[in-house]
Amino acid sequence: NAGVTQTPKFRVLKTGQSMTLLCAQDMNHEYMYWYRQDPGMGLRLIHYSVGEGTTAKGEVPDGYNVSRLKKQNFLLGLESAAPSQTSVYFCASSYISRTGGPDSNQPQHFGDGTRLSIL
Amino acid sequence: AQSVTQLDSQVPVFEEAPVELRCNYSSSVSVYLFWYVQYPNQGLQLLLKYLSGSTLVKSINGFEAEFNKSQTSFHLRKPSVHISDTAEYFCAVSDRGSYIPTFGRGTSLIVHP
Repeated sequence: NAGVTQTPKFRVLKTGQSMTLLCAQDMNHEYMYWYRQDPGMGLRLIHYSVGEGTTAKGEVPDGYNVSRLKKQNFLLGLESAAPSQTSVYFCASSYISRTGGPDSNQPQHFGDGTRLSIL
Repeated sequence: AQSVTQLDSQVPVFEEAPVELRCNYSSSVSVYLFWYVQYPNQGLQLLLKYLSGSTLVKSINGFEAEFNKSQTSFHLRKPSVHISDTAEYFCAVSDRGSYIPTFGRGTSLIVHP
């Protein structure tokens, strides 16, 4: 049981290049999230997904696209990388019960992060 | 939308001393509250959570947090810290039915020998 796995762990890009970050979870979670972490800023939500085939914008979506073609995978794409996108990117997933009770909101499981530098 | 304030960006403390990391949130509607810990070069791990019931929740490694609805706070405490507790701590809050938590900016706990 690997939990949440992010690929790659490190990457250096040149301005204008494109790339895709992959997140895979093996816990059959419905919700998946992409965050970026910058010093002093905490975690900021980029995009999230509430299920296969659905995506939604978070707090800082500009410059990023996402896709959730399979329930277990959530991809984050940078079409034209900019130095401002240098950051550590974290993927997370969570189980959501539709019962509506207190236990319906379960904590998130995080990957170990992707450190992305854009020159 | 919720906002979460972690009042201290850095908390230095000596080993075996008590510590409190403060967390306040903006909305008084029904909320779920979480503390996560992040060790260097790792992702976040759940430390403890409040979903309902007793307002005092405890972790397996000696941390505890108390939900105070009137003060909209969820402060994290430990009576005696260890060097191994050195890490970044994040408070997160989500409104009932939201499932999208808002994170604070984090507090760096630095435990000195």
